[in-house]
Formats: sequence, structure tokens, C-alpha cells
Amino acid sequence: LAKTTQPISMDSYEGQEVNITCSHNNIATNDYITWYQQFPSQGPRFIIQGYKTKVTNEVASLFIPADRKSSTLSLPRVSLSDTAVYYCLVGYGGATNKLIFGTGTLLAVQP
Amino acid sequence: DVKVTQSSRYLVKRTGEKVFLECVQDMDHENMFWYRQDPGLGLRLIYFSYDVKMKEKGDIPEGYSVSREKKERFSLILESASTNQTSMYLCASSFNLAGGLQKNEQFFGPGTRLTVL
Repeated sequence: LAKTTQPISMDSYEGQEVNITCSHNNIATNDYITWYQQFPSQGPRFIIQGYKTKVTNEVASLFIPADRKSSTLSLPRVSLSDTAVYYCLVGYGGATNKLIFGTGTLLAVQP
Repeated sequence: DVKVTQSSRYLVKRTGEKVFLECVQDMDHENMFWYRQDPGLGLRLIYFSYDVKMKEKGDIPEGYSVSREKKERFSLILESASTNQTSMYLCASSFNLAGGLQKNEQFFGPGTRLTVL
């Protein structure tokens, strides 16, 4: 069964860089990789999306190796407000347009 | 700002009841989605709709149905609620731009926590 795999949880301290990896062995040629962030009592919200190599925006970077079987979300200099659950989303697509969210990684940032 | 609203934040129903969860979006999005979120399982797609009166099954459609009579509104229906449908239900919407469903940013509502007794 096609799926994505992420660590269940990670701990960090304020000011550190955090890297969260998602494994997606069955990614298809046309699939994109998207990361979402979810705070308690809220729905997820979009952070970043990429197809290959590296993508950077104002909040994060996304690194995707050449084989695209994994991806790494990088959060620079995290703060307490970055404590959240982070999900990677891969469309195991083709004609079915399947959307497979990972099980999420709880990032806990401590002072 | 895109706004996706869900009819209830919390809902308690009894086994066998018919349950309606309503979702409304105000950004004229073509796509709308219903997910359920459970601890350790992440978000799982129940149904999605890419146009009025159109629907597609997601990964776990059993026990659910949907209705989309207007572009801005997408309803999830539990015909006969069961205890294993106790969960957080999240609605989302997105444009239907080129690149497929997963290419387009999804905007989520706050969720409805449903408890079936």
C-alpha cells in the first residue's frame, strides 16, 4: 500500500534548525510533495511545495533528492510558536488522484 | 483571506442516528474535500468533489456519503452513525488548477469533533 512515513515526534530548542524527513517510496512521476502545519484546534495550513531539488520560501526550505523517494522540510531558527504537527502530502496519482497524508510529526520546541 | 467554515466544532450523536456535517467556502474553489483525522493515522481522505454534483471516493468512503448541490457547500453524511466514526472531521477546498489535486494548495476548516455514543 502506497504511503508516506514520518517520525512520530521531534524535540528542539529555540533558535535551532529543524529537519523533518518524509519517506515516499512509491512516488509517481507527476506527483508533487507538499508540507502542511497544524496547530491544536485548527485545520492544517500550507507551508511549502516542491517537485525536485530545493525550494525555499519565507518560512521553510524543502529538499528533494534526485530519486524523489524522500523529502526533508527544514525550519530555520525555530521558535516556540513553531510547535505544531507537520504533515507531508504526496499525491500517489496517475488517474486516481490519490492524496496520501503522512501520519504527521509533532515538533516540540522548548525554550 | 480564504475562509472555510464548518457547521459545528463539537457534535455528539447516538449510534444509528443520521448525521450531517456541513462545510462552506467563500473563495469560489472548484475542489472540496472531507477528511477524518485520528491519532496515529494522520488525515485520511473520505470523499472529494471537483464540481457541483460531482464526487469521487477517497481512501475510506465506507459508511459515508456526500452531497454538493452548490459550489460553495459540501456536506458529509453519516447515514447511520457508529462508534467507530467518532473522530475529527476536516473539510478543505482548493482551486482546480493544472497539475492535479495534490498540486493545488488546500485550505482547511477548523474541524468538527464528532463523538458517537
